Amino acid sequence: DIVMTQSPDSLAVSLGERATISCESSQSVLYYSNNKNSLAWYQQKPGQPPKLLIYWASTRESGVPDRFSGSGSGTDFTLTISSLQAEDVAVYYCQQYYSTPFTFGPGTKVDIK
Amino acid sequence: EVHLVESGGGLVQSGGSLRLSCAASGFTFSGYAMNWVRQAPGKGLEWVSGISGSGDNTYYADSVKGRFTISRANSRNMLYLQMNSLRAEDSARYYCVRDPFGDYYFDNWGQGTLVAVSS
Repeated sequence: DIVMTQSPDSLAVSLGERATISCESSQSVLYYSNNKNSLAWYQQKPGQPPKLLIYWASTRESGVPDRFSGSGSGTDFTLTISSLQAEDVAVYYCQQYYSTPFTFGPGTKVDIK
Repeated sequence: EVHLVESGGGLVQSGGSLRLSCAASGFTFSGYAMNWVRQAPGKGLEWVSGISGSGDNTYYADSVKGRFTISRANSRNMLYLQMNSLRAEDSARYYCVRDPFGDYYFDNWGQGTLVAVSS
């Protein structure tokens, strides 16, 4: 199984400042056939189901604000919130869909400083 | 608008069975792979099972293989998860999720149904 790790476990960022979350996979999730990384990011607010933010490591889902961006390749990935808003307080999860079982990272909690 | 509404959760004794259902609307159900993802209280996300749009192909996490069965009724826009031999560690909120292109990332999630297994 591909193990996903995230860092930090939690972070507190001032409103308007940048938040950066890292995600690492235990093996590469790069599909050589299409040169795409099988990595998604989700946001989960308290009491709500997760919401898809990013797929193929850097493609923003329709309707997701452009302050959210994804980057990385192979085994190392980053989710960046360029200017943190109050409504961004949530837990963020990465997920690999390169191979079954499709595994999630443990989550990173983002709060306001 | 896509709607996914789960039902069938509840309290069951260890070793018992439950059948979860998910009613889908707002999209052409048969055209999409569907999955179940669970989340234990206060914990992270765990993919449980997936099924192709036709229902011909199914996939399971090792933790549920041989105990859970995923199925679908495309004529009724319904997804199911039959859970047998339930264990305490199966206690979680179970989400019905849509896979937009068969790649196994998930673009729409239901609100979930809660399963509690007592030992």
